[in-house]
Amino acid sequence: AQTIHQWPVAEIKAVGSPLSLGCTIKGKSSPNLYWYWQATGGTLQQLFYSITVGQVESVVQLNLSASRPKDDQFILSTEKLLLSHSGFYLCAWSLVGVEQYFGPGTRLTVL
Amino acid sequence: GDQVEQSPSALSLHEGTGSALRCNFTTTMRAVQWFQQNSRGSLINLFYLASGTKENGRLKSTFNSKESYSTLHIRDAQLEDSGTYFCAAFNTGNYKYVFGAGTRLKVIA
Repeated sequence: AQTIHQWPVAEIKAVGSPLSLGCTIKGKSSPNLYWYWQATGGTLQQLFYSITVGQVESVVQLNLSASRPKDDQFILSTEKLLLSHSGFYLCAWSLVGVEQYFGPGTRLTVL
Repeated sequence: GDQVEQSPSALSLHEGTGSALRCNFTTTMRAVQWFQQNSRGSLINLFYLASGTKENGRLKSTFNSKESYSTLHIRDAQLEDSGTYFCAAFNTGNYKYVFGAGTRLKVIA
């Protein structure tokens, strides 16, 4: 069975500090991977997607970057957090043209 | 760009009643997914449709790609159905998924 794990579960960070969020998918080979951001009370906005190791495409620019160092790992990061980065970050996987499955999410508060 | 218009934005249902949610797409989409987001933020997969109608228990969903809309019907609503429902649509091949704004459903006893 496929499992998707996100870490950390929650973070409280200061404006201007760096950030690294992680996502790992087990039980699926070469999945498509996605990062989403959700403001409190808002909808989901796709940020990045990756169809293979080492390749990441940006969908929306939010002063964030993403990397896929391994087939089963997707990292979201920034060197300087902004207040507007607060929210809920969700990682998802899919196979080509098929439904997405989401991880449990990371709740980020920037103060 | 691609847009998804979801309605209603909020809905209150008494237990045992039903209603329908709708998503309209401004461009032709290849498939649609429906999710329920619970109070912890977890997204629960309800349906994936490339066409036609699917049913699962008290839920039924339809996707009409030619007329660019999808619906989610809830019947015999229960308290545990409360949450936010999202539709998400995508065009196969460009890996971009667009979500609707969500419908906040509250089921009351």
